[in-house]
Amino acid sequence: DAMVIQNPRYQVTQFGKPVTLSCSQTLNHNVMYWYQQKSSQAPKLLFHYYDKDFNNEADTPDNFQSRRPNTSFCFLDIRSPGLGDAAMYLCATSNGGGGYNEQFFGPGTRLTVL
Amino acid sequence: AQSVTQLDSQVPVFEEAPVELRCNYSSSVSVYLFWYVQYPNQGLQLLLKYLSGSTLVKGINGFEAEFNKSQTSFHLRKPSVHISDTAEYFCAVNTGTYKYIFGTGTRLKVLA
Repeated sequence: DAMVIQNPRYQVTQFGKPVTLSCSQTLNHNVMYWYQQKSSQAPKLLFHYYDKDFNNEADTPDNFQSRRPNTSFCFLDIRSPGLGDAAMYLCATSNGGGGYNEQFFGPGTRLTVL
Repeated sequence: AQSVTQLDSQVPVFEEAPVELRCNYSSSVSVYLFWYVQYPNQGLQLLLKYLSGSTLVKGINGFEAEFNKSQTSFHLRKPSVHISDTAEYFCAVNTGTYKYIFGTGTRLKVLA
């Protein structure tokens, strides 16, 4: 089945220790998104790639970076995680970014910062 | 700017009873509307969407929603819920760009 895969499902890191979260897709979608979702809150868009074009949201902290080496893979790098970065991180894809296109979500990675 | 309001943070309902989860939005332009479901420790799954046409939209798992432009609402309904419907439900809007605006979610708890 075509799908969005996130690894790992659970990640524990220490305060200030860099961490990378991974997302891959078999849907061959050209748009990939990263969301941060804190407990009992709405998913918050951090950034997205339209093909190779990176689009950062204005309020995304500089601590968060992303890489998309090819169509299938996208990474979220947190350079110096703080306690406030503990959250569920969701990767999503869509075939085009026209708004009427459904987003397909991965299962998420739950990040714990000690 | 667009916004989405889900007034009910939690909705308890007995099994086989009907349920309505409320969603109101604010936008100065036309919108596309979505409902997503999130089961514990999982990603979001699309339940249904309104793009245009008929204002009554049917989705998966027996859910439906009605778009009401005058009331700027897109409430989600199910005539008879099951224990397995226990999850968090998110309403979202999109104005035709890459950006989806999500509501804060409604936690549906189905009681036996």
